Amino acid sequence: NAGVTQTPKFRVLKTGQSMTLLCAQDMNHEYMYWYRQDPGMGLRLIHYSVGEGTTAKGEVPDGYNVSRLKKQNFLLGLESAAPSQTSVYFCASQWRRTEAFFGQGTRLTVV
Amino acid sequence: RKEVEQDPGPFNVPEGATVAFNCTYSNSASQSFFWYRQDCRKEPKLLMSVYSSGNEDGRFTAQLNRASQYISLLIRDSKLSDSATYLCVASGSARQLTFGSGTQLTVLP
Repeated sequence: NAGVTQTPKFRVLKTGQSMTLLCAQDMNHEYMYWYRQDPGMGLRLIHYSVGEGTTAKGEVPDGYNVSRLKKQNFLLGLESAAPSQTSVYFCASQWRRTEAFFGQGTRLTVV
Repeated sequence: RKEVEQDPGPFNVPEGATVAFNCTYSNSASQSFFWYRQDCRKEPKLLMSVYSSGNEDGRFTAQLNRASQYISLLIRDSKLSDSATYLCVASGSARQLTFGSGTQLTVLP
């Protein structure tokens, strides 16, 4: 059982480039989340989704877009990467208000 | 004010010690609470859910005080393997999972 899988695991981007991070879960969870974590800080919510076709903004949504076209996938897009977006990105999925499961993270560096 | 606040620590304790972490949340509509553990550069993993009646899992005890909007985690007989960052989590009315900044624990031999 794969759980939550994030791709890629590492990426280096140049300023202004775009990329998409993929999160896939095989647990039939309704809720999915994208967080970023910076050194010495907790997880900050970027966007989240409570079901297929629905998304909502979290605490730090600027510079990111998301889509949830299929229940099992939640995509995070960076249209024009900036050095401030250098971070570790975690995806999570959850069945309603029970335990949330996390992917292994994507380490993104923008130079 | 952050929605979920924790003492960042670090807490450095000897093996065998008892250590307590506290957390406060500001959204009175929060309905579910959790403690997660995060090892360096890895993904967070659930340590335990927190129930109003309090709950215990081996050496770990979690308490919730809704009136004071306060959550606690007690670790008894600390082990070296308990060294990690402990994250307090609240699930709000908008179904967002909000994390505290984490409390770093180092258990010393």
